[in-house]
Amino acid sequence: NAGVTQTPKFRILKIGQSMTLQCTQDMNHNYMYWYRQDPGMGLKLIYYSVGAGITDKGEVPNGYNVSRSTTEDFPLRLELAAPSQTSVYFCASRAGTDYNEQFFGPGTRLTVL
Amino acid sequence: GQQVMQIPQYQHVQEGEDFTTYCNSSTTLSNIQWYKQRPGGHPVFLIQLVKSGEVKKQKRLTFQFGEAKKNSSLHITATQTTDVGTYFCAGRRSGGSNYKLTFGKGTLLTVNP
Repeated sequence: NAGVTQTPKFRILKIGQSMTLQCTQDMNHNYMYWYRQDPGMGLKLIYYSVGAGITDKGEVPNGYNVSRSTTEDFPLRLELAAPSQTSVYFCASRAGTDYNEQFFGPGTRLTVL
Repeated sequence: GQQVMQIPQYQHVQEGEDFTTYCNSSTTLSNIQWYKQRPGGHPVFLIQLVKSGEVKKQKRLTFQFGEAKKNSSLHITATQTTDVGTYFCAGRRSGGSNYKLTFGKGTLLTVNP
């Protein structure tokens, strides 16, 4: 199993550009998450999904959109990128039962200039 | 909303010294998880605590969950250079959403060989 994979690893955007961060998991997990990590600030939840076709907002959803058309994929869309979105983005997944660990992908480091 | 606070933010120790990080929640937790993130890496699950007063050990690491289920600690005995990284606690609010964890900001541990 590859676990949780994310692409790209690095990206530089100009202000106002758009992009999609890809996330795929091969563990058949129902729950998937997008976090952003700023230096010294821990992990902030952007969006999450409890299954295909179901998504919900986390703590910091503004400026982002998600979709979940399959169990495996959970892309994160940035529209009109802003410097405040410079961060490291982690995708994670979790099996459907209670009290399970989250498996994180390797992350995407995004810089908006 | 729920807040999870961790102290200290940074800790530098000499190899062989002990290390402790503390996690405090503003609300009662149903469970707490601990993750480790190596520099440049992604968070990796260490352990989960569920019961009031629970203590779990993993080799040199000891995890505790407070009696009131609002605080937790991670203690490392005789640190090694391989312990370097940021340690995060993450809690699920009792009676709250089953899907979301709230992460603390983490404690960055550096070890001088």
